[in-house]
Amino acid sequence: DIQMTQSPSSLSASVGDRVTITCRASQSITSYLNWYQQKPGKAPKLLIYAASSLQSGVPSRFSGSGSGTDFTLTISSLQPEDFATYYCQQSYSTPPFTFGPGTKVDIK
Amino acid sequence: EVQLVESGGGLVKPGGSLRLSCAASGFTFSSYTLNWVRQAPGKGLEWVSSISGSSSYIYYADSVKGRFTISRDNAKNSLYLQMNSLRAEDTAVYYCARDLGILGATSDYWGQGTLVTVSS
Repeated sequence: DIQMTQSPSSLSASVGDRVTITCRASQSITSYLNWYQQKPGKAPKLLIYAASSLQSGVPSRFSGSGSGTDFTLTISSLQPEDFATYYCQQSYSTPPFTFGPGTKVDIK
Repeated sequence: EVQLVESGGGLVKPGGSLRLSCAASGFTFSSYTLNWVRQAPGKGLEWVSSISGSSSYIYYADSVKGRFTISRDNAKNSLYLQMNSLRAEDTAVYYCARDLGILGATSDYWGQGTLVTVSS
């Protein structure tokens, strides 16, 4: 099975900061990588699919990059509503479609 | 508007069974693969199962294979998860989610979740 790791596990940032979260796969998943945002008590929300495609309705301050095993989610200017936990997920080939352990972004 | 509403969660004893349902609306139900994803209290997300629009393709996580059964009724716009031989580690919020249809288990719309608690 493909294992996913994320770094950091948590970070503190201020409104307006540029934030970068990294996700690594245990083997190449080409561009089959998704990013989700989850706020406490709420369902996850799809932000980015296929490594760099912005889901409809998601603000353009969110961007994704990478291929193979290393991927990045960037928030160009952190907004108050962006404080949440972010998960990557690989959707390559056959199941299981594993998620990363998550990165919690909170207020500095 | 796409809506997914889960139901059927609750408290069940270890070894017991439970059937979750997910009622869908706002899209052509039979055209979409659907996914179940769960989240244990205070933990991360875990993909559980997927079923294609015609039920031709069904996948399970190893952790539930042989105990859980995913199914759908396209006439009723409903998704189900039959959970048998439940264990304490199955305690989680269970989400149904619509698949984007581009990549495996990429979920673009999610329900609000239903809590399953397995405890004696």
